[in-house]
Amino acid sequence: DAKTTQPPSMDCAEGRAANLPCNHSTISGNEYVYWYRQIHSQGPQYIIHGLKNNETNEMASLIITEDRKSSTLILPHATLRDTAVYYCIVNLGGGADGLTFGKGTHLIIQP
Amino acid sequence: EPEVTQTPSHQVTQMGQEVILRCVPISNHLYFYWYRQILGQKVEFLVSFYNNEISEKSEIFDDQFSVERPDGSNFTLKIRSTKLEDSAMYFCASSGAGTEITDTQYFGPGTRLTVL
Repeated sequence: DAKTTQPPSMDCAEGRAANLPCNHSTISGNEYVYWYRQIHSQGPQYIIHGLKNNETNEMASLIITEDRKSSTLILPHATLRDTAVYYCIVNLGGGADGLTFGKGTHLIIQP
Repeated sequence: EPEVTQTPSHQVTQMGQEVILRCVPISNHLYFYWYRQILGQKVEFLVSFYNNEISEKSEIFDDQFSVERPDGSNFTLKIRSTKLEDSAMYFCASSGAGTEITDTQYFGPGTRLTVL
């Protein structure tokens, strides 16, 4: 089973920041937090990952709490194309490990 | 930007037939994976592959499944005798260019398998 808990759905207005929470209270010290998204039935798309520091790339920002028990993915200016299911996954980041997907958060961007 | 490709995009087969799903991972990657997603359900890990052998496999990956890297570019998933419940999207992924601290997995667009 997935080691993360996410709200099943969220709405966000177009142009606003979308903040997607994730709880991972049983995360171990060497596990990373990964975020992927899936648009319709397309392949999961990698967004960002982090260990304990906050991270930012061209797609999003990842804020990880100091105790690492939760994190927030931030899409700074959401567009309609950001409507998707967003998955928060904890993983060792080692090559052989399969990713364990939960049900994710269905983010709906409203025009 | 390099990407994982998969063929065919849609495969229809009769129950009991063998199918081979094909993937071309990102060229400098070392780890390869197969996942499946039954309609309306979660993405599920099937198997990981490294250095020409299986590294990890899930309970789903039973004797009817096999994987192979037949040449330097392709990675295949074979289902020997398909069942109705094998109908799903199958995703290939690859990772491990050796230049990253962690091995981020990048997914292909998937093959929709329909078993009749």
